[in-house]
Amino acid sequence: DTGVSQNPRHKITKRGQNVTFRCDPISEHNRLYWYRQTLGQGPEFLTYFQNEAQLEKSRLLSDRFSAERPKGSFSTLEIQRTEQGDSAMYLCASSSEGGGKTQYFGPGTRLLVL
Amino acid sequence: AQKITQTQPGMFVQEKEAVTLDCTYDTSDPSYGLFWYKQPSSGEMIFLIYQGSYDQQNATEGRYSLNFQKARKSANLVISASQLGDSAMYFCAMREVQGAQKLVFGQGTRLTINP
Repeated sequence: DTGVSQNPRHKITKRGQNVTFRCDPISEHNRLYWYRQTLGQGPEFLTYFQNEAQLEKSRLLSDRFSAERPKGSFSTLEIQRTEQGDSAMYLCASSSEGGGKTQYFGPGTRLLVL
Repeated sequence: AQKITQTQPGMFVQEKEAVTLDCTYDTSDPSYGLFWYKQPSSGEMIFLIYQGSYDQQNATEGRYSLNFQKARKSANLVISASQLGDSAMYFCAMREVQGAQKLVFGQGTRLTINP
């Protein structure tokens, strides 16, 4: 049983460039979450998918951010025109449906915007 | 709105001792879930233990137990017989009941186990 995987693990980019991250959830999980974690803080919710439908987005998710989960399996998170404030760890988690279901996290993608 | 408070930025414990990490929460929902996650320096969030608000008994998972005091709104993590590999950040989180059921995290406690 493979866990949640994320690629790339690290990304260094220059300000103004676009970046895309990928998350592959646990295969039988229909719920997928993206969180952002800045240095010294706990993770903060960005967005949530149930199957292919994006059902909730945080106000942290500015217009420069877009997330997709086209076939209800893997998901991508794209940041356009990156800013230095986007530097953070981006964590993906998945869970099955229903109350009490634990969210299992991937290893994260650490983004540094120069 | 839900809120998690972890008041211990750092804890230092001798190997093999027990350690308690504090977590208090605030919610108006009668039904909620509480979680503890471990985050080593590699960055991955590792699930440790879960407690439901209606669970009658405190949750236990191996060396981890959750001291759940509903009236005081606290959900402290107890690690027995600490090991060097327990050194990490520890996060308490609450899951909202409605909508996305997203997790709300505290700021974490950095635990260091000394040999």
